[in-house]
Amino acid sequence: DAGITQSPRHKVTETGTPVTLRCHQTENHRYMYWYRQDPGHGLRLIHYSYGVKDTDKGEVSDGYSVSRSKTEDFLLTLESATSSQTSVYFCAISLQGFDGYTFGSGTRLTVV
Amino acid sequence: GENVEQHPSTLSVQEGDSAVIKCTYSDSASNYFPWYKQELGKGPQLIIDIRSNVGEKKDQRIAVTLNKTAKHFSLHITETQPEDSAVYFCASNSGYALNFGKGTSLLVTP
Repeated sequence: DAGITQSPRHKVTETGTPVTLRCHQTENHRYMYWYRQDPGHGLRLIHYSYGVKDTDKGEVSDGYSVSRSKTEDFLLTLESATSSQTSVYFCAISLQGFDGYTFGSGTRLTVV
Repeated sequence: GENVEQHPSTLSVQEGDSAVIKCTYSDSASNYFPWYKQELGKGPQLIIDIRSNVGEKKDQRIAVTLNKTAKHFSLHITETQPEDSAVYFCASNSGYALNFGKGTSLLVTP
């Protein structure tokens, strides 16, 4: 998707290991979001950022932390991955907050 | 988070027929209601949105209606085509973020 890149696209990791997913944007949008997508649950908000160093928790934030040290990058960290965190993770950006999200292509994470 | 209920979870229609997906929301402060289409292996893409100051919006074969009193909004796709097959998500805003429904898998058969 134009202006937003997620990395890696796929990752397999072991239970108990730390994992960091990266979202990079070139649009200079203020707002950035992390969602997870699971069958039967749709898209659920993990954390979001409304500016550099400004973040807030979403509906399913337990076990996740985020950081945003510059406008273009929003990192999602699983401090100690568990099998329940196996999911597809999507990053989204927005210029004005909730209005007109642009989603990345997603990261498929498998915790074994 | 505030709930957004979406129905049906799956929908199968014949090419040329209409498809309707319905959502309800619970946050009275919500004033923005977008719809996203997700194709296999891709991120969701915005297809249409509506704000609380209007009751209906159209864009070619797609329309969205909003009933704020009942807290309902719906997506209508007319003259469906096989390329409309995808998962559709409704959403409503809560603070600076969107809450999404669980999705509707639409299959359009030739």
